[in-house]
Amino acid sequence: AQSVAQPEDQVNVAEGNPLTVKCTYSVSGNPYLFWYVQYPNRGLQFLLKYITGDNLVKGSYGFEAEFNKSQTSFHLKKPSALVSDSALYFCAVGGFSGGYNKLIFGAGTRLAVHP
Amino acid sequence: ETGVTQSPTHLIKTRGQQVTLRCSSQSGHNTVSWYQQALGQGPQFIFQYYREEENGRGNFPPRFSGLQFPNYSSELNVNALELDDSALYLCASTSGGSSYEQYFGPGTRLTVT
Repeated sequence: AQSVAQPEDQVNVAEGNPLTVKCTYSVSGNPYLFWYVQYPNRGLQFLLKYITGDNLVKGSYGFEAEFNKSQTSFHLKKPSALVSDSALYFCAVGGFSGGYNKLIFGAGTRLAVHP
Repeated sequence: ETGVTQSPTHLIKTRGQQVTLRCSSQSGHNTVSWYQQALGQGPQFIFQYYREEENGRGNFPPRFSGLQFPNYSSELNVNALELDDSALYLCASTSGGSSYEQYFGPGTRLTVT
């Protein structure tokens, strides 16, 4: 079965420090990978995607993610965290065999950036 | 902000009732997907509509149904509401034929009492 795992319910980071939010996946074929962010009482906002090409992709608000095919991971990173980055982050996969256009999401990781 | 809008913002219904949620897709997008996000969980795929036809369905019972209109707006209908249907319902639009990023609306918060 297709699945996405975000092993950390919450990540705590001090402002100015680098952050990593982890994601691993298990799907057939060569999936597309996404990160979305959700602020309280809001929908999901697209951050970045990996379709093909360079394993390091850059996205909005200074975020980047590294695709690792052998480890089936797609970790979200940022060199210097801001308090305003505090939110709920979701990893998602799409484009897998038989999946048409649906996205499968992880359970989410809450990022808390402390001043 | 995306160009995807949803209505209403909040809704309270009683168990057994029926509800209709609405979504207007982003301009130029002909594919609409619906997701259910229960509290503390990631969104779960309900179904997708492409050019007014259902184009895939997740693990949801038939009492969850939908429509897509010629202008690509969409409705999600839920019959015989159950308490577990309480969730944030998200609509997402994309251009058809690919699995690139989907643009989400702000969601409708449904509470079933």
